[in-house]
Amino acid sequence: EPEVTQTPSHQVTQMGQEVILRCVPISNHLYFYWYRQILGQKVEFLVSFYNNEISEKSEIFDDQFSVERPDGSNFTLKIRSTKLEDSAMYFCASRPPGLPFTDTQYFGPGTRLTVL
Amino acid sequence: DAKTTQPPSMDCAEGRAANLPCNHSTISGNEYVYWYRQIHSQGPQYIIHGLKNNETNEMASLIITEDRKSSTLILPHATLRDTAVYYCIVRSYSGAGSYQLTFGKGTKLSVIP
Repeated sequence: EPEVTQTPSHQVTQMGQEVILRCVPISNHLYFYWYRQILGQKVEFLVSFYNNEISEKSEIFDDQFSVERPDGSNFTLKIRSTKLEDSAMYFCASRPPGLPFTDTQYFGPGTRLTVL
Repeated sequence: DAKTTQPPSMDCAEGRAANLPCNHSTISGNEYVYWYRQIHSQGPQYIIHGLKNNETNEMASLIITEDRKSSTLILPHATLRDTAVYYCIVRSYSGAGSYQLTFGKGTKLSVIP
């Protein structure tokens, strides 16, 4: 069964450094998402991406964040200058095109980002 | 999207049915009920969804009341691997938009041997 993959599984970085989190969505999916989950808290939406542009973003997704689909398979989340409070699990998700009922999102295993 | 209310935690004996309730009393006619679960910091996993009819798949059954104000997710024979946080999410669909999911705190289901 196809699945969303994410790399790395764990990233440790120093405050102020740039990080890029990578995701490979399911191949025929057209909608892509990033969510994050700070330890012990709820899963929070960051951004959605469709047709090579951001379709929606949350208040969390400020200027230090960016997303890109550099080729036909990868979907990346970049944090330009990490802060301690960016430490969290980051989940990528993708959704197939379409039908009225298929609002089903498929999540990757996550990347644990630790900012020191 | 309509607000949902779930109990914070539940226990279930292994092999028994787990019945997880969700209240969504303000649901509107075009809103679907989705269930996801998250096993210990893994990515959320889709379980099932429905509009007004009861639904069943290989993982679970979803029972939606006739007035659609509440629903129950049923895991027919719970195993230890079903220990997870279960999220009930109400979503509308109108054909456009990115439809991000809004997760609440969910119900932490503990399956006990």
